Amino acid sequence: GAGVSQSPSNKVTEKGKDVELRCDPISGHTALYWYRQSLGQGLEFLIYFQGNSAPDKSGLPSDRFSAERTGGSVSTLTIQRTQQEDSAVYLCASSLDDSIFEYWHFGDGTRLSIL
Amino acid sequence: AQKITQTQPGMFVQEKEAVTLDCTYDTSDPSYGLFWYKQPSSGEMIFLIYQGSYDQQNATEGRYSLNFQKARKSANLVISASQLGDSAMYFCAMRRASGTYKYIFGTGTRLKVLA
Repeated sequence: GAGVSQSPSNKVTEKGKDVELRCDPISGHTALYWYRQSLGQGLEFLIYFQGNSAPDKSGLPSDRFSAERTGGSVSTLTIQRTQQEDSAVYLCASSLDDSIFEYWHFGDGTRLSIL
Repeated sequence: AQKITQTQPGMFVQEKEAVTLDCTYDTSDPSYGLFWYKQPSSGEMIFLIYQGSYDQQNATEGRYSLNFQKARKSANLVISASQLGDSAMYFCAMRRASGTYKYIFGTGTRLKVLA
């Protein structure tokens, strides 16, 4: 596809369940980012992947959050034992590389609602 | 800490008028990139304009221009001839070359254009 693809677009689950969010970046983009946006708020950095380098996990809010990127392409963000405060829109973005000149191409996000 | 500050949570502007959205940043890095994004109510993140720390001239893209004052660490977005379709959330962001928190966004400014 031409853009960053995220699935599902919406996810409703019960508190305590695990969820997996998927991101398919633009082909050829080596850098991939996950952000979280709570209702009406700014973007909170979660994690960043660049090529085969170790990911920058400095933004993950707790050890319930993890992410992986397989084959340098698709990424999954996993939230274990979900809590109501995890409700937010999770945005994935990619860029050609991690230079300061490259802008983020964002997906449409996954809206996660924890009941 | 490296951070981005947008002090205007909300702004109004009359259609066809110009408006300035403020952004200040804090970094000790010599090399960085500054970006503005627009997020309409539909939720997608739209890249507007980029300014590099070493760029001598202010960036311009159509009706968007960036008033970059490096010594003051400010990168204000100027929208000329506002249109109703400009009503949206606007985010300022920074990319740095190294270190933690390399990719951060401000909290946003909600702009409403009045007819």
